Amino acid sequence: EMHLVESGGGLVQPGGSLRLSCIASGFTFTGYWMTWVRQTPRKGLEWVANIRLGGGEDYHVDSVKGRFTVSRDDAKSSVYLQLSSLADEDTAVYYCARHNRGVFDHWGQGTLVTVSS
Amino acid sequence: EIVLTQSPGTLSLSPGERATLSCRASQTVSSSYLAWYQQKLGQAPRLLIYDASTRATGIPDRFSGSGSGTDFTLTISRLEPEDFAVYYCQQYFTSPTTFGPGTKVEIK
Repeated sequence: EMHLVESGGGLVQPGGSLRLSCIASGFTFTGYWMTWVRQTPRKGLEWVANIRLGGGEDYHVDSVKGRFTVSRDDAKSSVYLQLSSLADEDTAVYYCARHNRGVFDHWGQGTLVTVSS
Repeated sequence: EIVLTQSPGTLSLSPGERATLSCRASQTVSSSYLAWYQQKLGQAPRLLIYDASTRATGIPDRFSGSGSGTDFTLTISRLEPEDFAVYYCQQYFTSPTTFGPGTKVEIK
């Protein structure tokens, strides 16, 4: 059975940093792109970043470019999202998901990031 | 960026009834690169339909998707108690992929 488990969320002050992790199991991690999606009551679901299998290519939504960085460690079946220069509008539940031909076919349970002073 | 609009915002129905949810795109979504997700309270979204009409693995056949171009529909033929949830559409034809705001299907 496939599992994605996120961790690393929490309360952080504006301007702060956080590193989210997602550990995958139950499928061949090296065969898939991986994605981060966030969700807020105001903006709904928003794709944040994705990274190619092997890690040679990655993309980020414009609103986080230069502040967030996606990476992966295939040896650990893990994908990461480094968040920096955090602002109030980055408060969200962050999900990692398996990216399969454009759709997100398996999701983790999410980790909450709260940016507040 | 393609903007997706979903209607209605809330659908109040009884178990056993048919649900018809709409997703409209601001531009043509070619190749029917349109997906539907279900999200229950406190849970992550779950993929139901991709390529506009293909059910994901394990999805019951009471769920069906249709449409092309800018207008897409998710139909639940007979609502089961576990189907009351929020449903989102997603286009993956252009980057960035975008989601609609969701339709809540609630018990009448």
